[in-house]
Amino acid sequence: EIVMTQSPATLSASPGERATLSCRASQSVSSNLAWYQQKPGQAPRLLIYGASTRATGIPARFSGSGSGTEFTLTISSLQSEDFAVYYCQQFNDWPPLFGPGTKVDIK
Amino acid sequence: QVQLVQSGAEVKKPGASVKVSCKASGYIFTSYGISWVRQAPGQGLEWMGWISTYNVNTNYAQKFQGRVTMTTDTSTTTAYMELRRLRSDDTAVYYCARAGGWDDAFDIWGQGTMVTVSS
Repeated sequence: EIVMTQSPATLSASPGERATLSCRASQSVSSNLAWYQQKPGQAPRLLIYGASTRATGIPARFSGSGSGTEFTLTISSLQSEDFAVYYCQQFNDWPPLFGPGTKVDIK
Repeated sequence: QVQLVQSGAEVKKPGASVKVSCKASGYIFTSYGISWVRQAPGQGLEWMGWISTYNVNTNYAQKFQGRVTMTTDTSTTTAYMELRRLRSDDTAVYYCARAGGWDDAFDIWGQGTMVTVSS
């Protein structure tokens, strides 16, 4: 199975700053990767699919890039509502496993 | 609007079974499959499996093979996940999520169902 890793485990940043989150696959997943945001006590929400396509209603400050084994989620200017945990998930190969997550908290 | 509404919290004893429901509305039920994902307290997301609402094909994570059964009822647009022989480490929030296939992103999620396994 394809193992997903994410870095950093925790990212401390201030509102207005740019945040860059990384996701790495143990083998190529092409562009078959999604990003989710989860806030405490809530279900995850789809942000990005196909590595770079924003889901419906997702603000333009969220962008995804990468292919193969290296992926990045960028939040161009952090808003208060963006402090959350972010997970990547690959869909190229069964089973569609998640990464361990990156927590973005307020510095 | 498109939504998935799950059944309420459950408390079970070790060795028992639990069946969680996921009621879909606002879209054509048989056009999308349903995946199930769980999250233990303070932990990450764990994919459990997927069911086609069209032909009832299933695809289970190896870890849950033999203990989980996913079903659907198209007459009520409801999906179900039954987990048997519960252990304490099955304590988690269980989510259903809409996905075209096992290899599609999950675009709509249920609110989650807390299942507590305790003697």
